[in-house]
Amino acid sequence: DVKVTQSSRYLVKRTGEKVFLECVQDMDHENMFWYRQDPGLGLRLIYFSYDVKMKEKGDIPEGYSVSREKKERFSLILESASTNQTSMYLCASSWTQGGLYNEQFFGPGTRLTVL
Amino acid sequence: SQKIEQNSEALNIQEGKTATLTCNYTNYSPAYLQWYRQDPGRGPVFLLLIRENEKEKRKERLKVTFDTTLKQSLFHITASQPADSATYLCARTGGFKTIFGAGTRLFVKA
Repeated sequence: DVKVTQSSRYLVKRTGEKVFLECVQDMDHENMFWYRQDPGLGLRLIYFSYDVKMKEKGDIPEGYSVSREKKERFSLILESASTNQTSMYLCASSWTQGGLYNEQFFGPGTRLTVL
Repeated sequence: SQKIEQNSEALNIQEGKTATLTCNYTNYSPAYLQWYRQDPGRGPVFLLLIRENEKEKRKERLKVTFDTTLKQSLFHITASQPADSATYLCARTGGFKTIFGAGTRLFVKA
């Protein structure tokens, strides 16, 4: 079974802090994604990566950065946390076939609260 | 821009009935549509994928249809059970991008 793990289930940080969210997948997937999920808004893509050291902006990249130094690990960084970044953060991975992304496997999520 | 629209109102049905959830998309047809289940406080779990050249896909009690004329996918759960209560997300994939709907909450009463 594909397993995607995230470093924390719950996290509480203060405004202005630098926050690191880690994600690891064990199925050698090329693609990894970071989403945030807010009530009524669904999943919104922050960043994705289709290979080591490669990254692409999603729909809401402002205030975030990412790092992918190894294939299995994709990190999301909040450079200076703000209260409007309080949300559920979900990491996912998938493989590519025929130029299309296949189904995504999600981690359990990190519920981040910024005070 | 491409959009996915799902009914934001919760769906309440009686155990044993068929639940039908709707997913509408805008603009061009995606290469395929996916359906995921999400339980509270957890990440989504993939259920089914249907390609644009397929009309219907089944898996156990689940059935998905894809109508490119109506720009719509229907997701059916037959013989529904209280354990099917969850939020169901529809997602469209075209090229290298997947866009998720906000989901529809399903409640199955015993």
